[in-house]
Amino acid sequence: NAGVTQTPKFQVLKTGQSMTLQCAQDMNHNSMYWYRQDPGMGLRLIYYSASEGTTDKGEVPNGYNVSRLNKREFSLRLESAAPSQTSVYFCASTQQGAGNTIYFGEGSWLTVV
Amino acid sequence: AQSVTQLGSHVSVSEGALVLLRCNYSSSVPPYLFWYVQYPNQGLQLLLKYTTGATLVKGINGFEAEFKKSETSFHLTKPSAHMSDAAEYFCAVGRGSGGSNYKLTFGKGTLLTVNP
Repeated sequence: NAGVTQTPKFQVLKTGQSMTLQCAQDMNHNSMYWYRQDPGMGLRLIYYSASEGTTDKGEVPNGYNVSRLNKREFSLRLESAAPSQTSVYFCASTQQGAGNTIYFGEGSWLTVV
Repeated sequence: AQSVTQLGSHVSVSEGALVLLRCNYSSSVPPYLFWYVQYPNQGLQLLLKYTTGATLVKGINGFEAEFKKSETSFHLTKPSAHMSDAAEYFCAVGRGSGGSNYKLTFGKGTLLTVNP
């Protein structure tokens, strides 16, 4: 049982390059999330998808786009990477419903130079 | 709007000592409260959560937390620290009514150091 799987785990980009972070969950969850983690800032929500076919902005969506490809997969795209997007990115998922546990992937370390 | 404040970005204890990590929240509705732990270079793992019912919640690895509505607090405790408890701990409040808008808002984290 893999849970939430993210790829790649590490990536270095040059300013202006684009890339996509992939996320897949095998728990048949409805809702999926992308968070970023920065030192001293905790985790901040970038985008989320309550169910297949829907996406919504979180707290820090600027510079990102997302795609809910199907129920299992939720990708995060950086169209033109900036040094401010250097961060650790976490994908997460949960079964829809208030109070349910949100499960996290292992993280993707992204450096933009 | 919900928010979470973790008091102390860094807490240091001796092995065998009491662990107390503080979390205060603000919420306009009854909150769902969570503690997650993050070990170095790993994702977040759920320690415990409060949704409804008993206000003292027990979690994994000997941790527990008490929901105190009057104090808007959800502090995390463990009677006796172990070296393996060294990690970063995040308090979070679940917001949204369920359905289409459920998500977590996190505190900034508390790094726990355990000294031998």
